Amino acid sequence: AQSVAQPEDQVKVAEGNPLTVKCTYSVSGNPYLFWYVQYPNRGLQFLLKYITGDNLVKGSYGFEAEFNKSQTSFHLKKPSALVSDSALYFCAVRPDTGRRALTFGSGTRLQVQP
Amino acid sequence: DARVTQTPRDKVTEMGQEVTMRCQPILGHNTVFWYRQTMKQGLELLAYFRNRAPLDDSGMPKDRFSAEMPDATLATLKIQPSEPRDSAVYFCASGLVLGTHYEQYFGPGTRLTVT
Repeated sequence: AQSVAQPEDQVKVAEGNPLTVKCTYSVSGNPYLFWYVQYPNRGLQFLLKYITGDNLVKGSYGFEAEFNKSQTSFHLKKPSALVSDSALYFCAVRPDTGRRALTFGSGTRLQVQP
Repeated sequence: DARVTQTPRDKVTEMGQEVTMRCQPILGHNTVFWYRQTMKQGLELLAYFRNRAPLDDSGMPKDRFSAEMPDATLATLKIQPSEPRDSAVYFCASGLVLGTHYEQYFGPGTRLTVT
């Protein structure tokens, strides 16, 4: 069975500073990894995914994530945070074969302070 | 801009009542997912369908929950009878699975409160 860990319930950064939201995963076979963002009273919005290829994946709104197979991690990053980035971020994983549904982490609340 | 739609957006009901939540997937998508989000459990997969057939409903309490796709444009999640512990936000998501990978697009959710 697959699982995702987001070790930080909350991350606080100052506007303009770089941000990192951590994610580690466990899955049988090759992982397909995703990041979603949720704004208050909204559904989840897709940010980016890793399927194969380059370990550094670029996504929406200036976010990127780095796949590290040896550390089974897929941390979300942004070079310069905006106040509008404040939201709940979910990492998700599924294996490349078999069950197609995603397993989500518990979420990390990002707070960007002006 | 195609979107997943869900109705109702908010539902307050009394314990024991039947609740039906509806989802319209993005036109052309062949896979539909139902998730439940609570503070305690986070996001949990309840069930998902491919080409209207249920593939996995292991996350769903079978005694009171049922999920169907009467046609390709409508997915329903029904709770009968509802209980206070069912209070949560229920999300529907759809995707087009043609190979090994795809993206899921989420609806805005139905916030259910059972008193």
